[in-house]
Amino acid sequence: DAGVTQSPTHLIKTRGQQVTLRCSPKSGHDTVSWYQQALGQGPQFIFQYYEEEERQRGNFPDRFSGHQFPNYSSELNVNALLLGDSALYLCASSRGPGGVEKLFFGSGTQLSVL
Amino acid sequence: KQEVTQIPAALSVPEGENLVLNCSFTDSAIYNLQWFRQDPGKGLTSLLLIQSSQREQTSGRLNASLDKSSGRSTLYIAASQPGDSATYLCAVTGGSQGNLIFGKGTKLSVKP
Repeated sequence: DAGVTQSPTHLIKTRGQQVTLRCSPKSGHDTVSWYQQALGQGPQFIFQYYEEEERQRGNFPDRFSGHQFPNYSSELNVNALLLGDSALYLCASSRGPGGVEKLFFGSGTQLSVL
Repeated sequence: KQEVTQIPAALSVPEGENLVLNCSFTDSAIYNLQWFRQDPGKGLTSLLLIQSSQREQTSGRLNASLDKSSGRSTLYIAASQPGDSATYLCAVTGGSQGNLIFGKGTKLSVKP
């Protein structure tokens, strides 16, 4: 049983560019959440997708957008990259959006913005 | 606004010691609390999940307790091993929302 998979594992971009990160949830999970983790910090919630809609959003600007596909996989898009967007981006999946179930995390995508 | 604090920020112990990691949160209206382990540059591995109605959970050498009224949780690691070296993160789920609010973590180093 595959867990949460993310791609790519590492990415280098320059300021102003756009990036797309991908996530496939654990088998049987229908909810995907994205988190940003800066060096030395705990992860910060970006947004959550359920039934192909954004259900919740953290305190992140509109440059951060996402999508969920019918097979429950998800993408995170970041436009007009800033140096401060350099971080580990984590995807987590669960059964349902309510927060009662345990979250399972992928290994993350390390984004470096130069 | 919910805030999660973890103390200490870093801890170094010799192999075989029992140790306690602390987590506190400001709003007691939580659904559950999770402890995670994170190895350098890697994702998070869930260790224990405690629902708001529970007092503790155990898995192997790990025991986590929850005192919701005081806004505190502890993670107890028995007979520590060098393989336990990692950063341990505490996170709470608040109200009816599904997002986790994390502390900054405790970086644990177990010396052989």
